[in-house]
Amino acid sequence: QVQLQQSGAELMKPGASVKISCKATGYTFSSYWIEWVKQRPGHGLEWIGEILPGSGSTNYNEKFKGKATFTADTSSNTAYMQLSSLTSEDSAVYYCARSTMIMDYWGQGTTLTVSS
Amino acid sequence: DIQMNQSPSSLSASLGDTITITCHASQNINVWLSWYQQKPGNIPKLLIYKASNLHTGVPSRFSGSGSGTGFTLTISSLQPEDIATYYCQQGQSYPRTFGGGTKLEIK
Repeated sequence: QVQLQQSGAELMKPGASVKISCKATGYTFSSYWIEWVKQRPGHGLEWIGEILPGSGSTNYNEKFKGKATFTADTSSNTAYMQLSSLTSEDSAVYYCARSTMIMDYWGQGTTLTVSS
Repeated sequence: DIQMNQSPSSLSASLGDTITITCHASQNINVWLSWYQQKPGNIPKLLIYKASNLHTGVPSRFSGSGSGTGFTLTISSLQPEDIATYYCQQGQSYPRTFGGGTKLEIK
């Protein structure tokens, strides 16, 4: 069955960078977009962007350009999101989701805490 | 960006009730509207895609309708396990955008 397994919780200092992973199993990884979504309490769900692992094509929410960078490794069926220059505003739960314009399966979420 | 306005923001209903959540898009999104359910402490899960199509394994008491700019999610015969926050999301254009959510509570 389709599963997306994300990396564990992270505690980072302001100004640092972090890389979150999302390992896919149970389907052809290269053929589906991987979406990245941010969730903060009181802020609902926010779309960061997406990557198509087979081609490396990406689409970013303008709001997150310069903040988020997506990569994918088809040999390990793993997608990555790097977040740079972290601030407290980046503290959130980050989800990856499989998509063909519809986010049908989601990872379990990675909690990022940015604190000095 | 397409704004997704969801109402109500919270809703209290009794077991067995039928409830409706609405989602209004600021532009025409045809039928590119999905609904997600997020139970407390859990991940979002797809309920309905392309406005009215039930995702695999979703109970038939959930239904969706609409096209263009106006959409509804209906839950009939409300069950205790339906306690959750529900989100709509448009897939018509970039950036993808979500509604603000509807928190459903049982009276």
